[in-house]
Amino acid sequence: AQTVTQSQPEMSVQEAETVTLSCTYDTSESDYYLFWYKQPPSRQMILVIRQEAYKQQNATENRFSVNFQKAAKSFSLKISDSQLGDAAMYFCAYGSGSRLTFGEGTQLTVNP
Amino acid sequence: SAVISQKPSRDICQRGTSLTIQCQVDSQVTMMFWYRQQPGQSLTLIATANQGSEATYESGFVIDKFPISRPNLTFSTLTVSNMSPEDSSIYLCSAGGHANEKLFFGSGTQLSVL
Repeated sequence: AQTVTQSQPEMSVQEAETVTLSCTYDTSESDYYLFWYKQPPSRQMILVIRQEAYKQQNATENRFSVNFQKAAKSFSLKISDSQLGDAAMYFCAYGSGSRLTFGEGTQLTVNP
Repeated sequence: SAVISQKPSRDICQRGTSLTIQCQVDSQVTMMFWYRQQPGQSLTLIATANQGSEATYESGFVIDKFPISRPNLTFSTLTVSNMSPEDSSIYLCSAGGHANEKLFFGSGTQLSVL
């Protein structure tokens, strides 16, 4: 069974600074996808970024980028120029056949 | 992207009763899923809602406790039966296409059982 581990229960960053959230996973499959979701207090799960395992190039979405290390089974999220609206719980997820396995989450605080 | 409407958004229920949660997608989707998020925890997949057939349940979840319907490609319901305080959680519906396409989520149902 696949597992996803987020070793940082909480992180904080100053507004306009950069922060990196860590995620590792375990799988024996070769074809899969990885995701970062954001969950603000509204409970809405918002897709931040998605990475296909077969692609070596790291995904980027505006201020959000990932560092995907397939051999190390590592998938970290970098948030640049942090904004107050980035404050939320961030979940790393492993996807196989559209079924997602989530990590335990990292609560991100953005300090003004 | 798909827009998913989920209702009710929250409810407070008495022990021993049942609650049905509805999930409506604004377009036809192949896959629909139901997740549970217990207080302060991550999301756990309950089941895959299959159109026109019985849902596929994950280990630890059974049909008698969480019956699911999916009569068409845009709608699904999850019933939480014979509720106890341990069922107090957020229940989320998600939907998407095949093969790890982007999955979208509803805004969740906050359930409290007294």
